[in-house]
This record gives sequence, structure tokens and C-alpha cells, in this order.
Amino acid sequence: ELKVEQNPLFLSMQEGKNYTIYCNYSTTSDRLYWYRQDPGKSLESLFVLLSNGAVKQEGRLMASLDTKARLSTLHITAAVHDLSATYFCAVGRDDKIIFGKGTRLHILP
Amino acid sequence: DGGITQSPKYLFRKEGQNVTLSCEQNLNHDAMYWYRQDPGQGLRLIYYSQIVNDFQKGDIAEGYSVSREKKESFPLTVTSAQKNPTAFYLCASSSDRPEAQYFGPGTRLTVL
Repeated sequence: ELKVEQNPLFLSMQEGKNYTIYCNYSTTSDRLYWYRQDPGKSLESLFVLLSNGAVKQEGRLMASLDTKARLSTLHITAAVHDLSATYFCAVGRDDKIIFGKGTRLHILP
Repeated sequence: DGGITQSPKYLFRKEGQNVTLSCEQNLNHDAMYWYRQDPGQGLRLIYYSQIVNDFQKGDIAEGYSVSREKKESFPLTVTSAQKNPTAFYLCASSSDRPEAQYFGPGTRLTVL
């Protein structure tokens, strides 16, 4: 059974600091996704990672994938208040996509 | 504009009633999904469909039913057999793997 674990589940950080969110998954997969959700809203796709060693960056967010360790990271550089949201990783296996519980990120001014 | 629509945005239901949530997409995507979101639980897969007239159970299908008679539409019925239906329901679609899913705006269902 495919399980996806994120940590931390809640993160409060100061503006300007760096931090990393971790996503571990239990079985092999050919694709990993990162999404953002604002309170009361739907999900927005951030990154799709398909191969070992893949790295993608958009603004202050950078995602990477290590398929051997079954680990993906979402790194936040010099955080700003606008990045406050809940971030989900999701892992695909066959036709299913299974989500982690999400990391609620609160950035303090 | 292409996208996914869900209706209604808010839905109130009395215990013992069935209710149907609408999901429509005009992205020409083959695959469609239903997820349930509860606070602190992330998203849990209810049903998914890769092609018209075919669908599979997800991890929490009990108390729910779906149909996929048209490519554009994937309605979800929450039956009276679902013991705790109050939640935020999200519909998503995607083209061939490995593309990311596009999500609708969600329906917030409350059972009174």
C-alpha cells in the first residue's frame, strides 16, 4: 500500500529564513507532485518531478526528488508572507495519486 | 476558458438524504478524480475514472457512488450510508500520466 508522509505538519517561520519540507513515500513511484492550497481554496499545482535527481525551481520554492531514498523536499528560500499556505506532496502509482497530510506553513512578518 | 467547475459551492443536507455533487471539465481530460478533505487529514481518494463508463474505488469509497457517462462529467453521490459526510469535496482531472491534476474549486458539504 502506498503511503505518503510529510513533515513537519505545521511550520511557523520568520520572513527571510530558509526552511525545508520533507515528503517520504513507501513504495516505488514514477511521479511526484507538489501542490499549494490557500485557506478555503482549491489546490494549485507547483511542481511535477519524474526522475531521480530531478530539481525544479519557481521563485523562492525549489523541489527535488531522490527516488532511491523515496524522498522529496520542498525548500523555501528567504520566505515571504505570501508563501503562507498549506503545501501537499502527492505520489503517483499506476492510476492512483495519493496525497500526504500537508504542511501548514505560517510565515511571520 | 478551460477548467473544472463544481457545484454547488456549499451544500447542506439532512441526515438520511442522498445528495449529488457535480463536477464538469472542459479540458478534454480522460481521467477524473474525487477526493475528500478533512482538517488535518489531507486529501483522501474516493473514486477515480480513467475513461468513460469505467471507474475504480479509491481508499474511502464506502457510502459513495459515481458515474461516468460523459467524458466531461463525473458526478459524486453521497449516500445515507456514509456515516460522516461533512467535509470539503474536491474534484480533479488530468490528461495522460504523468501530468499534474487540475482541481475544481470544491464543494463544502455539511450534514445537519
